[in-house]
Formats: sequence, C-alpha cells, structure tokens
Amino acid sequence: AQTVTQSQPEMSVQEAETVTLSCTYDTSESDYYLFWYKQPPSRQMILVIRQEAYKQQNATENRFSVNFQKAAKSFSLKISDSQLGDAAMYFCAYRRGGGSNYKLTFGKGTLLTVNP
Amino acid sequence: DAGITQSPRYKITETGRQVTLMCHQTWSHSYMFWYRQDLGHGLRLIYYSAAADITDKGEVPDGYVVSRSKTENFPLTLESATRSQTSVYFCASSEGDRSHEQFFGPGTRLTVL
Repeated sequence: AQTVTQSQPEMSVQEAETVTLSCTYDTSESDYYLFWYKQPPSRQMILVIRQEAYKQQNATENRFSVNFQKAAKSFSLKISDSQLGDAAMYFCAYRRGGGSNYKLTFGKGTLLTVNP
Repeated sequence: DAGITQSPRYKITETGRQVTLMCHQTWSHSYMFWYRQDLGHGLRLIYYSAAADITDKGEVPDGYVVSRSKTENFPLTLESATRSQTSVYFCASSEGDRSHEQFFGPGTRLTVL
C-alpha cells in the first residue's frame, strides 16, 4: 500500500521569506501523480500544485514550486515570498496513474504559520 | 450553483442514531469520494464510486454505508453513529481521467455525543 509521510507537523515563516515543506512517499508504482493541497481555516481543500511522475521537470505555479526527487521518493513544496494568506494546513497526496482507482492517499499535514 | 456541495455543514447527533450526509455535484463527474479528516491522520478515504451503482470500500469503511443511484449524488450514511465517528467529512469528485484533479466540497463537521 502507498504511504505518504509529512515529517513536519508545524512550520513557521516570516512574511516575504521562503519556506519548504517536506513530503516523502512509498510506492512500487512507476506511474503516479503527486499533489499539494492547501486547507485554510475555512476548511476548503484547494489544489496548489500537481506533479506527474513521468515528468522530470519540477512543477511551478507562481510562488509555489516543487522539488520532485523520484529516486528518493521525495516531493517538497517551496513557497517563495510568503504571504499572510499562505497560512494554512498543507497536505501532500499521492494517486496512482494507471488502473481505474483514482483515490488520493494523504499525508497527515503540515500547519504553516506566516508571521508578519 | 455549479460545483460540489455538502449538507448539512454542521451536525450534532447522539450515539446510536442514523445520520446521512449529502453530497451533490453538478459537473457530471464519474468519480466521487468520501474522506474523513481527523487531527493527526490527515484525510482518509471511506468509500468511493466510479459511476452510478458502482461503489467500493476505502481505507476506513466500517460503520458507513454509501449509495449512488444518480451520478450527481453520493450520500454517506452512518447507520448507528459512534463517538469515534466525530470528524470532518469531505466529499470530492473527479472526471476519472488520469490527469484530472479531485474537487472537494466544503466539508461537514459531525459531532456524535
């Protein structure tokens, strides 16, 4: 079974600084997707960024980028120029690429605090 | 309104009572999912459905029942609620294509006394 581990229960960053959230996963599959979801206090789950395992290039979405190390099974999220609105719980998630089961396996989350 | 909705948003019930959480999506997505979120556990899959009348168990299905008679609805029933089922429940839907993301509803906070 696939597992996703987020080793940092809490992180903090100063506004305008950069922070990196860690995620490791365990799978025997070669075809899969990785995601970072953001959950602000409103509880709404918001997709931040997505990475396909077969793509070597790291995904980027504005101030959010990932460092995808397939061999090491590592998928970290970097937030640049942190803003107060980035404060949230962040979840790393895994999904198989093949077959017909598209369920997500989540890590336990990292609570990010942004200090003004 | 377009999107995915859940009702109720908040529910308080007592141990032993039956509770049904509703989920409705307007995109005609083939896949729908129920997750529960608990502190220290992240989100865990309860049940999912690949299409109308096709459902399957996830990681934590015990004590829950689902049905999917229509593509747009995916209700989750707690047949006899227990305190351990106090949680936040999220419904999600997806096109089912390998490249598509899951879209989440706003969640239902359920408290079982």
